[in-house]
Amino acid sequence: EAQVTQNPRYLITVTGKKLTVTCSQNMNHEYMSWYRQDPGLGLRQIYYSMNVEVTDKGDVPEGYKVSRKEKRNFPLILESPSPNQTSLYFCASMGGRTEAFFGQGTRLTVV
Amino acid sequence: AQSVAQPEDQVNVAEGNPLTVKCTYSVSGNPYLFWYVQYPNRGLQFLLKYITGDNLVKGSYGFEAEFNKSQTSFHLKKPSALVSDSALYFCAVRDIGGPGGSYIPTFGRGTSLIVHP
Repeated sequence: EAQVTQNPRYLITVTGKKLTVTCSQNMNHEYMSWYRQDPGLGLRQIYYSMNVEVTDKGDVPEGYKVSRKEKRNFPLILESPSPNQTSLYFCASMGGRTEAFFGQGTRLTVV
Repeated sequence: AQSVAQPEDQVNVAEGNPLTVKCTYSVSGNPYLFWYVQYPNRGLQFLLKYITGDNLVKGSYGFEAEFNKSQTSFHLKKPSALVSDSALYFCAVRDIGGPGGSYIPTFGRGTSLIVHP
């Protein structure tokens, strides 16, 4: 089954404690992306990747890092989380003529 | 540059009535257009897409959308709404041709559809 898998689904952490949200896709898609969703703001792109070792900033990259060492994985790293990064995060992947496939989301709370 | 506008934050409709969720777009080349639905505590799910061909596109759960190039619109429609259609709907565009073409999709801010019993 084609899918994008994110982990964890829910995470509560403290300010400054490094965390990683994993994302994996099984469709051999070249394009992957991270979004955050906040009430009234829709989906905002954090980082995206067009292929292995190719990443670029989206609209709201501050405070985040990503890596793309393998085609299937695209982890999101928060080196020093802050309360304003409390949000709902989505990973997505996409092929050439296809729609985007989204993970189930990670609800992050930073206290 | 490409952009998407969903002019309504919320659409209210009675069950059994037709529904329309509006989307307009701007691209410099040719568009790929998409609709997604998000149910509470879930990820976005694909509903339908326009790539090329027939301007009327049919998708999941009885939804359809009409591509109108002259009005640069891609409104989502359903002839008879169900309470279970209540969700958040996102329109997205990819500009796949022209000098501003991009592989990357741009999403609208979303429209909350509320279907009343």
